[in-house]
Amino acid sequence: GAVVSQHPSRVICKSGTSVKIECRSLDFQATTMFWYRQFPKKSLMLMATSNEGSKATYEQGVEKDKFLINHASLTLSTLTVTSAHPEDSSFYICSASTGQGSTDTQYFGPGTRLTVL
Amino acid sequence: DAKTTQPPSMDCAEGRAANLPCNHSTISGNEYVYWYRQIHSQGPQYIIHGLKNNETNEMASLIITEDRKSSTLILPHATLRDTAVYYCIVRALRNSGNTPLVFGKGTRLSVIA
Repeated sequence: GAVVSQHPSRVICKSGTSVKIECRSLDFQATTMFWYRQFPKKSLMLMATSNEGSKATYEQGVEKDKFLINHASLTLSTLTVTSAHPEDSSFYICSASTGQGSTDTQYFGPGTRLTVL
Repeated sequence: DAKTTQPPSMDCAEGRAANLPCNHSTISGNEYVYWYRQIHSQGPQYIIHGLKNNETNEMASLIITEDRKSSTLILPHATLRDTAVYYCIVRALRNSGNTPLVFGKGTRLSVIA
């Protein structure tokens, strides 16, 4: 299957700092990428849809000024958690779509575990 | 809200077939059935998807009922490495390919030696 990478895999930061997470599609171009968040023992929750060259679409309850998304190329989307607080500690996962129509499949990155002290 | 219903947990003996059911009684004609799994602390892994015909790949088989209101994912010979949470998701596809996957609670499959 297609490969999606995330960097860093794990980050620990102090409260009030900003953290950038990168999501890359390594062997395909993705016009659309998605960002999810997962709390312990919970399912994945969609945060936003990231489209190359345009503004991201955020899900209800997700603050766009706190979670900045940039999709500058067909292979890279970034999520920046600004002024992070302990309640932002979570497992952040991105995914990218491979194609269109019946062949479209989303592949997920390995996730980034964020711990805010 | 997730549009599928799955049992919260299942056990399967190693080497036996694991049959994971999923109900999606409100599925629309343009919605596909997708299966993913998530091993602890990893990103979800794509398994298989289908519209109305049964599908098979190197990982699993997907059996969709004729009325499309339910499906079953079959892992033919489960191994300990198949222990994971399995998610059944219905998703409409558009030409733009930008429909996100909406995850429910899934089924926690435990493969037992």
